[in-house]
Amino acid sequence: AQSVTQLDSQVPVFEEAPVELRCNYSSSVSVYLFWYVQYPNQGLQLLLKYLSGSTLVKGINGFEAEFNKSQTSFHLRKPSVHISDTAEYFCAVTKNFGNEKLTFGTGTRLTIIP
Amino acid sequence: GAGVSQTPSNKVTEKGKYVELRCDPISGHTALYWYRQSLGQGPEFLIYFQGTGAADDSGLPNDRFFAVRPEGSVSTLKIQRTERGDSAVYLCASSPSWGSYEQYFGPGTRLTVT
Repeated sequence: AQSVTQLDSQVPVFEEAPVELRCNYSSSVSVYLFWYVQYPNQGLQLLLKYLSGSTLVKGINGFEAEFNKSQTSFHLRKPSVHISDTAEYFCAVTKNFGNEKLTFGTGTRLTIIP
Repeated sequence: GAGVSQTPSNKVTEKGKYVELRCDPISGHTALYWYRQSLGQGPEFLIYFQGTGAADDSGLPNDRFFAVRPEGSVSTLKIQRTERGDSAVYLCASSPSWGSYEQYFGPGTRLTVT
């Protein structure tokens, strides 16, 4: 079975400052990794995904994440945040074979301070 | 184009009643997933359809929960004898094909059992 840990339930950041949201996973098999964002009163939206290839993946809205197999991490970063980035961010994994069902972390609420 | 839609957006029911939650996936998407998101938690997998058949129902919590997708498009999640612990947001997602690793989520149905 897979599991995902997002240690930071809330992260406050000043506008235009950089941010890193942490994600660690556990799995006995190879996995693919994802970050989803949930804006207030909206559905989950895929930010980025890592399937293979370069361990640094770029997503929408200026976000990027780096897969680190030795540390079983997939941290999300953005060099300069905006008010519009206020949302809940979920890290998720799935086995790299099978039906693609996702296992999610508990989420990190990113709050941007003007 | 139209995204995944879910109806109703909110459902309040009394303990012991039966409820049906509907999901309309993106046209042409063959895979459909149901997840449940309790307060303060990430979404948890319930069931996966590939076409009309439930290919993986390992996440359904007990036999009060059942889902169908008779024509390979719209899906209905059915909950019998609802309990207060069933209160959550029920999310539906669809995916264009196996191997795409992209799930598109609907806005969810908030179920409250009183």
